[in-house]
Amino acid sequence: EVQLLQSGAEVKKPGESLKISCQGSGYSFNNYWIAWVRQMPGKGLEWLGIIYPGDSDTRYSPSFEGQVTISVDKSVSTTYLQWSSLTASDTAVYYCARRGDHSAYEYFDYWGQGTLVPVSS
Amino acid sequence: SSELTQDPGVSVALGQTVRITCQGDSLRIYYASWYQQKSGQTPLLVIYGKNNRPSGIPDRFSGSNSENTASLTITGAQAEDEADYYCSSRDGSNNLIWVFGGGTKLTVL
Repeated sequence: EVQLLQSGAEVKKPGESLKISCQGSGYSFNNYWIAWVRQMPGKGLEWLGIIYPGDSDTRYSPSFEGQVTISVDKSVSTTYLQWSSLTASDTAVYYCARRGDHSAYEYFDYWGQGTLVPVSS
Repeated sequence: SSELTQDPGVSVALGQTVRITCQGDSLRIYYASWYQQKSGQTPLLVIYGKNNRPSGIPDRFSGSNSENTASLTITGAQAEDEADYYCSSRDGSNNLIWVFGGGTKLTVL
């Protein structure tokens, strides 16, 4: 069974750093792109970026490039999303999602359960 | 980057048919995928590609595409279909970048 297991909620203060994780299991982790998606309170889904574990190829939405860093550790089948200095506007639920492998279609077929990141002084 | 536009809210009477639309230039190149998100839950893929449903998605959900518009149709809407629905596609610039629509809140009356 394919699963994406995300790390637990983190309560942080502005200016603090943070790294959240998404561990894949039940499939060939290295061969599927993993994306990160933000959902601010009461708002829609926003695509942050994506990484290919096999070679660490990483792409970012222009809106988020420089704001977050996506990385991977293949040895533990885990991708990460990190911030060097959080602000209140980073308060959101963050999801990881696996890109499907159909040759002609683009979609995200499995999603993590989400990690809540409240940032407040 | 490309944008995808959705109506903020749509309502449908129980058992009737509803269409949710998504517009954007990238849809001339890439098929949309559709996600259902019920209150407090994780997004769930319901339609991808030309008109493909993942295993477990009821056949009352279908997708269609025309030029720059993708549509999600629910034929015989059920109370449990009340949710937010998001479309998504790759950015039309041929980079490995994706975008989501703003979402449509479906109310089943």
